[in-house]
Amino acid sequence: GAVVSQHPSWVICKSGTSVKIECRSLDFQATTMFWYRQFPKQSLMLMATSNEGSKATYEQGVEKDKFLINHASLTLSTLTVTSAHPEDSSFYICSARRSGLAGGTDTQYFGPGTRLTVL
Amino acid sequence: QKEVEQNSGPLSVPEGAIASLNCTYSDRGSQSFFWYRQYSGKSPELIMSIYSNGDKEDGRFTAQLNKASQYVSLLIRDSQPSDSATYLCAVSRNAGNMLTFGGGTRLMVKP
Repeated sequence: GAVVSQHPSWVICKSGTSVKIECRSLDFQATTMFWYRQFPKQSLMLMATSNEGSKATYEQGVEKDKFLINHASLTLSTLTVTSAHPEDSSFYICSARRSGLAGGTDTQYFGPGTRLTVL
Repeated sequence: QKEVEQNSGPLSVPEGAIASLNCTYSDRGSQSFFWYRQYSGKSPELIMSIYSNGDKEDGRFTAQLNKASQYVSLLIRDSQPSDSATYLCAVSRNAGNMLTFGGGTRLMVKP
C-alpha cells in the first residue's frame, strides 16, 4: 500500500512559538494533500486542501494566516502553526491523494499524525 | 443535520459475532464511500471503499451501499478483540477529493 509519513510524531512547545509539521508521500507523487485536525473524542475535521504549486484552499473557520500551508513538491506538504496557543493543541493528520492505478479511482492515504501540545 | 451521521456507540459484540456498523449521509451527490478504522491515538486506516450500490466483500469485511436510501454499512464477520476501534465512515463527491467524515462508531469486541 501507499506510505505517507509525518514529522514530527509529537511536539510540545511554548505558547507563542511556531511549529512546522511535514507530510511526505514516500512511494508516490501527490499533487493534492489534505490537512485534518482531530480533537479528543471527536472526528476528523478538514482544515485545508493543499495543491502542489498553488495556494491552499482553507475550510470555513480556519485561519489561513495562522495555519500556513506550503506544497512545494509532489511529495511534500508542510503545515506551520504560527504563534501557537494552548487551544491549538490537537492531533494533526495529513493525507495524500494517490491517482488511481490502471484507470482506477483515486484514494487518500493518511499519515500517522502529529500530536501537538502547546503549553 | 450533520452531513454524515453515525451512532457513536459503543457497540459491544462478543468475539466471533458479526458487528454491524451503519452510516447515513445527506449529500445525494456523493459518489465515493469509505470505511476507516482508527485505533486510539493513531491515524485512520482505510478498510474498505465502495462506489456502486450493493455489497462488496473483502475478507471478513463487507461494505453495503444503498444510494437511494443514502445509507452505507460495514459488516465485520467473526469479530476479534483486535477489531476494537473507532470506525469512521467517510463520503466524497469524487474519489480522492475532500472527504467528509462521520463522528465514528466505537466498536468493542469482548473475548
